[in-house]
Amino acid sequence: DAMVIQNPRYQVTQFGKPVTLSCSQTLNHNVMYWYQQKSSQAPKLLFHYYDKDFNNEADTPDNFQSRRPNTSFCFLDIRSPGLGDAAMYLCATSREGGGTAYEQYFGPGTRLTVT
Amino acid sequence: AQSVTQPDIHITVSEGASLELRCNYSYGATPYLFWYVQSPGQGLQLLLKYFSGDTLVQGIKGFEAEFKRSQSSFNLRKPSVHWSDAAEYFCAVGQSNFGNEKLTFGTGTRLTIIP
Repeated sequence: DAMVIQNPRYQVTQFGKPVTLSCSQTLNHNVMYWYQQKSSQAPKLLFHYYDKDFNNEADTPDNFQSRRPNTSFCFLDIRSPGLGDAAMYLCATSREGGGTAYEQYFGPGTRLTVT
Repeated sequence: AQSVTQPDIHITVSEGASLELRCNYSYGATPYLFWYVQSPGQGLQLLLKYFSGDTLVQGIKGFEAEFKRSQSSFNLRKPSVHWSDAAEYFCAVGQSNFGNEKLTFGTGTRLTIIP
């Protein structure tokens, strides 16, 4: 089955220690998104890619970076995690254009704990 | 800016009873509207969408939603809930900014099913 895969599902890192979360997809969608979701809150868009074009949300901290080496993979790098960065990180994909861009397919998420 | 309001943080329903989850949106033009469901520890799954046309839309898992422009609402309904429907439900509106399509989510409604 075509899907969005996130690894690892659970990640523990220390305060200030860089961490990378990964996302891969077999849907061949050209748009990929990273969301941050804190407990009992709505997902918050951090950034997204249209193919290789990177689009950063204005309020996404500089501490968060992303890479998309090819269509299938996308990475979220947190350069110096703080306690406030503990959250579920969701990757999503969609096709580009019109209403289909809003039909997003989500991975299961990576729950990040910062100690 | 577009926004979505889900006035009910938590709803409890008996198994077999009917369900209605409320969603109000703020958007200048005809909106693209969505309902997503999130099971515990999982990513989001698209339940249904409204783009245009028939104001009553059918989705997966027996859910439906009705778009009412006069009330700026897009309420989700199900005639008879199952224990497996216990989850968090997010209403979302699609917005486009210079070709970048994004979803704006409401804060979610947590649904609990009791026997």
